[in-house]
Amino acid sequence: KAGVTQTPRYLIKTRGQQVTLSCSPISGHRSVSWYQQTPGQGLQFLFEYFSETQRNKGNFPGRFSGRQFSNSRSEMNVSTLELGDSALYLCASSYRGNIQYFGAGTRLSVL
Amino acid sequence: DQQVKQNSPSLSVQEGRISILNCDYTNSMFDYFLWYKKYPAEGPTFLISISSIKDKNEDGRFTVFLNKSAKHLSLHIVPSQPGDSAVYFCAANGEAGGTSYGKLTFGQGTILTVHP
Repeated sequence: KAGVTQTPRYLIKTRGQQVTLSCSPISGHRSVSWYQQTPGQGLQFLFEYFSETQRNKGNFPGRFSGRQFSNSRSEMNVSTLELGDSALYLCASSYRGNIQYFGAGTRLSVL
Repeated sequence: DQQVKQNSPSLSVQEGRISILNCDYTNSMFDYFLWYKKYPAEGPTFLISISSIKDKNEDGRFTVFLNKSAKHLSLHIVPSQPGDSAVYFCAANGEAGGTSYGKLTFGQGTILTVHP
């Protein structure tokens, strides 16, 4: 069974731009969660989608948004990028939301 | 407010010995706990989990112990191998009001180094 796939692996953007990250979950998994990892804050929950609906959201500004498609693939968008958005963005999929399986992440650098 | 804490930033162990990684939590609504291992430039890899209705779960060389009264869990790796060298995160799930869907709360991680 293929694992969680995140694209792209690396991104470089400048302040003010927007970015879209993609995540393909494990086949059969309908829950997709997104996390941000930074050296200072660790792994922090962004949001979770299940059957195309956002069920849970972390404490991030509205510039961070996401969506899920009917095939369970998910995208995350960050608008008006700030330097502090530089981080590793991780996507995880699960069957029911508890045991989550992570992708390799997208490393975003904002210059 | 850090609800899941791993107070030891690093741990060094000799190959073949036991590695014990510790984790404390403050939120009494957490009811499911997990351990992940992470190598640089990779996503976390699920290792083992435990439900709050149990106090121990084993999987091969990995055992997780849960002490609910102390709000403490630990991961034991026996015997430790050099390939176990990585960052280990504990995580918790479950919050009041059923709003915990898909949300894991992570500790800051412990760097485990196993020396040959």
